[in-house]
Amino acid sequence: GAVVSQHPSRVICKSGTSVKIECRSLDFQATTMFWYRQFPKKSLMLMATSNEGSKATYEQGVEKDKFLINHASLTLSTLTVTSAHPEDSSFYICSATREGYEQYFGPGTRLTVT
Amino acid sequence: QKEVEQNSGPLSVPEGAIASLNCTYSDRGSQSFFWYRQYSGKSPELIMSIYSNGDKEDGRFTAQLNKASQYVSLLIRDSQPSDSATYLCAVRSTGNQFYFGTGTSLTVIP
Repeated sequence: GAVVSQHPSRVICKSGTSVKIECRSLDFQATTMFWYRQFPKKSLMLMATSNEGSKATYEQGVEKDKFLINHASLTLSTLTVTSAHPEDSSFYICSATREGYEQYFGPGTRLTVT
Repeated sequence: QKEVEQNSGPLSVPEGAIASLNCTYSDRGSQSFFWYRQYSGKSPELIMSIYSNGDKEDGRFTAQLNKASQYVSLLIRDSQPSDSATYLCAVRSTGNQFYFGTGTSLTVIP
């Protein structure tokens, strides 16, 4: 299957700082990338969908000014959590897909805000 | 009505038995169906995709699709303790959007 990487895998930051998470599709060009967050023992929650070169589409209830998504190329999308607070601590997972194909998930980034 | 529905479980089966996981979806025009496995603390991993009615087999896994009933299932034969995980059903709708079920937790008892 296709490979999607995510960096960093784990990050601890102080409240009020910003954190950037990178998502790369390593062996295919992703027409669309998705960002999810997941709390312990809960299901995936889609945050936003991004297409290369265009603005991300955010799900209802997700603050686009807090969770900045940039999809600069067909292989790279970034999620920046701005002014992070402890309630933003979560497992953030990206995925990538080509038109008509499956979603492939990155390994996830565990964010802890202290 | 949710787009994709799964029984949350937990489902427990003894080692060596067949585990049967079920999923229903609401968009009749959906064409693509997927099963993902997610271990605790890890991200989902694609294990099967199916696009046409009938069965698709891959090793110990068999996906079954019935578009008329809007039903997709995953059978795991000879279940192993390492199969213990949450299984997510996903559907790609006519609007090209993905919808995930909430997942079924499977425990294989040695």
